[in-house]
Amino acid sequence: AQKITQTQPGMFVQEKEAVTLDCTYDTSDQSYGLFWYKQPSSGEMIFLIYQGSYDEQNATEGRYSLNFQKARKSANLVISASQLGDSAMYFCAMREDYSGAGSYQLTFGKGTKLSVIP
Amino acid sequence: EAGVAQSPRYKIIEKRQSVAFWCNPISGHATLYWYQQILGQGPKLLIQFQNNGVVDDSQLPKDRFSAERLKGVDSTLKIQPAKLEDSAVYLCASSYGTGVTEAFFGQGTRLTVV
Repeated sequence: AQKITQTQPGMFVQEKEAVTLDCTYDTSDQSYGLFWYKQPSSGEMIFLIYQGSYDEQNATEGRYSLNFQKARKSANLVISASQLGDSAMYFCAMREDYSGAGSYQLTFGKGTKLSVIP
Repeated sequence: EAGVAQSPRYKIIEKRQSVAFWCNPISGHATLYWYQQILGQGPKLLIQFQNNGVVDDSQLPKDRFSAERLKGVDSTLKIQPAKLEDSAVYLCASSYGTGVTEAFFGQGTRLTVV
């Protein structure tokens, strides 16, 4: 079964508008972490934001916020005031202890390509 | 603080040849990951080290891929012999602890097998 599902292969947003990128996850663990990474065309994976499963407040980092709905197992990324430089692939990832042996693995979704239109 | 270093950045080889990639994680990071990212897809974990021990290599094609982290610091990933379907970006990442912590990525090695 897919651990991380990103249902939007591609998204378009007008410059200066807000956009939400969807992510749902599947886990039976109580302790896990959710991450969003940005991958521009250069290929580097850039960390954006992190949400822990026990965090009660939604994470925010500048223009990025994570809409964490634990009961629905969703962790959507919201980018406010989009900029042309936000055009990139965005990956949702989850870190959990699959094996129960204390080895936390990081699993990625298939990504969403965001294009910001001037 | 220096980031995760990878080399080479690009590599083109013929099928059936061998190739090796090198990764130096952030100083003090015990956990090191190798991911394979095929064009248009998300990264797929190949192998995870905790210090110099392997904690997960379930998705590593062991008939042709091997990886080591002998002193618990830098790591090499080898493919021998390469196949056309191995064309991908190979990403190395490291994280400080074993818990739910952020992983930092290198710039990756883009491999093309012709």
